[in-house]
Parts: sequence; C-alpha cells; structure tokens
Amino acid sequence: DTEVTQTPKHLVMGMTNKKSLKCEQHMGHRAMYWYKQKAKKPPELMFVYSYEKLSINESVPSRFSPECPNSSLLNLHLHALQPEDSALYLCASSQDSDQPQHFGDGTRLSIL
Amino acid sequence: RKEVEQDPGPFNVPEGATVAFNCTYSNSASQSFFWYRQDCRKEPKLLMSVYSSGNEDGRFTAQLNRASQYISLLIRDSKLSDSATYLCVVMEYGNKLVFGAGTILRVKS
Repeated sequence: DTEVTQTPKHLVMGMTNKKSLKCEQHMGHRAMYWYKQKAKKPPELMFVYSYEKLSINESVPSRFSPECPNSSLLNLHLHALQPEDSALYLCASSQDSDQPQHFGDGTRLSIL
Repeated sequence: RKEVEQDPGPFNVPEGATVAFNCTYSNSASQSFFWYRQDCRKEPKLLMSVYSSGNEDGRFTAQLNRASQYISLLIRDSKLSDSATYLCVVMEYGNKLVFGAGTILRVKS
C-alpha cells in the first residue's frame, strides 16, 4: 500500500463545477508534487511544493489551483475544467526535492 | 528530440529470461536517475535509483553512463509479476523529474 494517500479515487464533474483533490503523507517529507497522466503517456509535472512553498508551476492553466495547508497536506482545487483535463492526477512526495519521489495511487478525473 | 527516450516495446519474454532495457537522455546537466515501474491503471512505483558505479537490487541491476547519457536496467530470471511498464526517469536542474514514455514488459509462462 502506498504511504501517500489521495482522495477521492474517482471523480466525475461537470465543466461548471468546483471540486478539490486531496493528498496526504505522514512520512515527514518536505516536498510534494502534482502530476497529470493521460492514458498510455508518462506523468507530466504540474506543481512542486518545497517546504510548503510553491517552487515550480509548469505553466498550468489557472483553472487548476494548488494549495499546501501544511507539510502533510496538498490540495488541488479545480474550477471550470475542460473535457481534455480528464486524466489520472497523481500526487507524490519526497524527503527533499532532490530525493526519489513516492506516488499516491491517484485520482481518476472525468470531465463531462 | 525527446528529453528521455526509451524503446516502447513491448518486450515479450518467457519466465526465467534475462531482459535489458535502455534509455538515453538529452540534458547533460541532469542530476539524478531512477527506474520506476507502473502497472496498468496504477501509480508509478520507485524500483531503484541509478548510480554511475552501477547498483544491484536482487534480480535487478541498473547502470548509468554519464559520458554517453545512457541508462540501463537488467532483469534476471524474469517472473510473471515483473510484467509492467518500466519508466526511465531523469531529475533535471531545479529538481524536476522528466519521465520517458516507458517500456512495456510482458513475461509469459
């Protein structure tokens, strides 16, 4: 079982909805990440938080809004998403930003 | 040119076979290197880090050649449970992970 917990496991939402994805780790890791993965493609980095501060934003559209309330939690707020945003959203954490990353099992998001 | 290139496969091998995967990366300033495996509809899982001196973990051996910008993974005595997609991953400046597209391995009885 993964030590990075993501909720919900599945999410179906309309283009006008607002929802949030949640990620939690209790390994004391100080870096946390959001990735997007489309079918048969590798994960693509979206955001990096290091010591609770946003350090990398890979030019992600503003309809995705990350938040790091504390060192154990990472949220991804979703608003006005498009059908092409349907994907597997993966959270990862690492002890520090130069260490190997450990992934949660993802939220499978479908936009209607 | 892709930043991290892998042969997509699939590699179809019998149980007990030895199989090798290769990967090349374009950024000579890359700092760290990893192999992850990903099962269908699951998250990537860290298999091993890769060092210039080469490293081994049970049936798995990884090697890095910085001069050639080349990474390899050798799996000995393949098991059915080794069937997965193997992702070559490179950490670039700024601690950003870049994933290869993955190599599919199918081990058959």
